[in-house]
Amino acid sequence: EVQLVESGGGLVQPGGSLRLSCVASGFRFSDHYMDWVRQAPGKGLEWVGRSRIKVDSYSTEHAASVKGRFAISRDDSKKSMYLQMNSLKTEDTAMYYCVRSSGLPAYDIWGQGTMVTVSS
Amino acid sequence: AIQLTQSPSSLSASVRDRVIITCRASQSINSALVWYQQKPGKAPNLLIYDASTLHSGVPSRFSGSGSGTDFTLTISSLQPEDFASYYCQQFYDYPVTFGGGTKVEIK
Repeated sequence: EVQLVESGGGLVQPGGSLRLSCVASGFRFSDHYMDWVRQAPGKGLEWVGRSRIKVDSYSTEHAASVKGRFAISRDDSKKSMYLQMNSLKTEDTAMYYCVRSSGLPAYDIWGQGTMVTVSS
Repeated sequence: AIQLTQSPSSLSASVRDRVIITCRASQSINSALVWYQQKPGKAPNLLIYDASTLHSGVPSRFSGSGSGTDFTLTISSLQPEDFASYYCQQFYDYPVTFGGGTKVEIK
């Protein structure tokens, strides 16, 4: 079964750090770009960033709202992608989804999400 | 960044109604438009990509049309399981962006 499973969310104070993980199964992870998308409670969807594959030098992109604070990485040997979040702000409170973003010009596979709450 | 404006933001409809949701881009995105359905507490699910291509397993009552800046998602006969939120997304340029969403509620 094709699946993405996120973990690592939780409650953190403003200014703190958190590392999210996404583990893939059921498909060749190393062949696919992977993105992070977030959704604040009761709000819409926001792209956070992208991880590209080896042939693209594992390059990454990050949304302006998180650039310099968040960093995306991946480990193909573990079929995993990571989101290191530093200097967290209350406005980073959201459900964070891991998504597959290549193959189709769309997000065809979504994880179940992991909730991050930034609050004192 | 390319902005996507969805309308309406919410609507009330009855089972078997025809429902149309629109998405307007701030600049031409050719046909690089995607539609998702999201039910409460769940991740979004892909419905349509390339503006009009139905994703595998999606019922044929869903259809998409448009190109350039104006797009529509049509549900030809609303079913009980279709009450949900719908989002458009552009895949034309970075950063990928989403519309604000349309919540389809039971009348």
